[in-house]
Amino acid sequence: GAVVSQHPSRVICKSGTSVKIECRSLDFQATTMFWYRQFPKQSLMLMATSNEGSKATYEQGVEKDKFLINHASLTLSTLTVTSAHPEDSSFYICSIKGGTRDTQYFGPGTRLTVL
Amino acid sequence: AQSVTQLDSHVSVSEGTPVLLRCNYSSSYSPSLSWYVQHPNKGLQLLLKYTSAATLVKGINGFEAEFKKSETSFHLTKPSAHMSDAAEYFCVVRGNNNNDMRFGAGTRLTVKP
Repeated sequence: GAVVSQHPSRVICKSGTSVKIECRSLDFQATTMFWYRQFPKQSLMLMATSNEGSKATYEQGVEKDKFLINHASLTLSTLTVTSAHPEDSSFYICSIKGGTRDTQYFGPGTRLTVL
Repeated sequence: AQSVTQLDSHVSVSEGTPVLLRCNYSSSYSPSLSWYVQHPNKGLQLLLKYTSAATLVKGINGFEAEFKKSETSFHLTKPSAHMSDAAEYFCVVRGNNNNDMRFGAGTRLTVKP
């Protein structure tokens, strides 16, 4: 199956700073990338969907100016949490889909802690 | 709107005994349901997917799930648990928008030696 990497796997930052999380597709060209957020003991919530070269589509309630998504290429998408606050602390997971494949492949996740 | 409810947040079994992870769905359409497993520090992995071809779906690692429309259920089972099965399991329903996957809250499976 496809391999998806995320970097960093874990990040701790101070309140007010910005954090960038990278998601890379290592096996195939990902035409669509998804970003999810997972709070402790809760399910994954879709934040946004992005297609390469297009602006991301955000789910209701997700601030696009706070969570900046850049799908720069068919193998790379980044999520930047701007002016992070403690309530942004969460587990962020990216997922990819591409070509004729219907299956989504998930990254290992990035744990963000905002102090 | 489509949604899933995982009835148990934590299930503990002994190695070699059967596993049952319960999931009920709510859908106004014929649902597309799947189970994913999440091991620590690894990405979510698809175990199996129901697509209306057969009500009993066989997946990887000996897992299977049965779609029961009358009970709106899609429970995940395995005849004999292995230590390596310890992980978090998610029941997922795909919404009308093909990109819209709705996850259950997850069930943590513990396997005791």
